[in-house]
Order: sequence, then structure tokens, then C-alpha cells
Amino acid sequence: AQTVTQSQPEMSVQEAETVTLSCTYDTSESDYYLFWYKQPPSRQMILVIRQEAYKQQNATENRFSVNFQKAAKSFSLKISDSQLGDAAMYFCAYRRAGSEKLVFGKGTKLTVNP
Amino acid sequence: KAGVTQTPRYLIKTRGQQVTLSCSPISGHRSVSWYQQTPGQGLQFLFEYFSETQRNKGNFPGRFSGRQFSNSRSEMNVSTLELGDSALYLCASSRTVNTGELFFGEGSRLTVL
Repeated sequence: AQTVTQSQPEMSVQEAETVTLSCTYDTSESDYYLFWYKQPPSRQMILVIRQEAYKQQNATENRFSVNFQKAAKSFSLKISDSQLGDAAMYFCAYRRAGSEKLVFGKGTKLTVNP
Repeated sequence: KAGVTQTPRYLIKTRGQQVTLSCSPISGHRSVSWYQQTPGQGLQFLFEYFSETQRNKGNFPGRFSGRQFSNSRSEMNVSTLELGDSALYLCASSRTVNTGELFFGEGSRLTVL
């Protein structure tokens, strides 16, 4: 069974600084997708960034970027120029190709200090 | 464009009762999936529906059931409620299968007393 591990239950960062959230996963599949979702206190999950396993290039979305290490099964999220609105729970998730089922990590609570 | 709508947003039930939660996906989306979120277990997959067919089911007891209608709206039902069923139930939709992006609703917060 696939598993996703987020080893940092909580992280904090100063406004305008950079923070990296860690995620590792375990799968025997070769075709899959990885995601970072953000869940603010209002609870609605929002997709931050996605990465297709077959793509070697790391995904980037504005201030958000990932470091995808397929062989190490690592998928970290870097947030640059952190803003107060980035404060939320961040979930790393895995999806096998052909399925809509997401396997989530336990989440990392990110606090942004002014 | 309206997002994923879940009703009710909050509800309180007692042990032994049953509950039905509703999810209206984004217009044009045909795939709906459900997740249970609790502080202890985190986010766990419940069901996945596409074109009224259940494509996948998570590891939950038979008390948890669901269905999808021809207009893609989905409902999930939990019978004989237990205290441990207290959770945030999230619905997510996507245009079709294998698109990669799920859009989530705000969830239905169920409290079982």
C-alpha cells in the first residue's frame, strides 16, 4: 500500500523568508502524481502545486516550488517570500495514475510570523 | 463559477442514528470522491464515483455508503452512527478521471454524541 509521510508536524517562518516542508512517500508504481494541498483555517483544501512522476523538471507555481527526487521518493515544498496568508495546514498527497484516490500525509501546520 | 457545495455544513447526531451528506460538484465535473478527516487518522479516502458508478472504495465498514446521481451530485450515508464517526467529511470533484486536480468543498462537520 502507498504511504505518505510528513515528518514535520509544525513549522514556522518569518514573513518574507523561505521555508521548506518535507514529504516522503512509498510506492511500487512507476506512474503517479504528487500534490501539495493547503488547508487554511476556513477548511477548504486548495491545490498548491502538482508534479507528474514522469516529468524530471520540478514544478513551480509563483512563490511555490518543489524538489522532486524520484529515486529517493522525496517531494518537498519550498515557499519563498512567505506571506501571512500562507499560514495553513499543508498536506502532501499521492495519487496513482488511473485512480482518483488521494493518499495524504498527516500534514504540517505552517505558522508565518510577522 | 460555483465551487463544490456540501450540505449541511454542520450537524449533530446521537449514537445509533443515521446521517446523509450531500455534495454538488462543480458544473461539468463528473467525478466525485469523499474523504473523512479526523485529528487522529488524518485524511482518509472513502469513495470515488464517476458517471454514477463507484470506482473505488476505501477501508471503511459497510455502514458507510454512497451514491452518485445522473446530474453528478453525490450523497454519502452513515448508518448506526458511532462516536468515532465524528469528523469533517470532505467532498472533491474533478472534470473526469485521471485529470490530476481535485477541487474540494468546505466539508460537512459531523458531531456524534
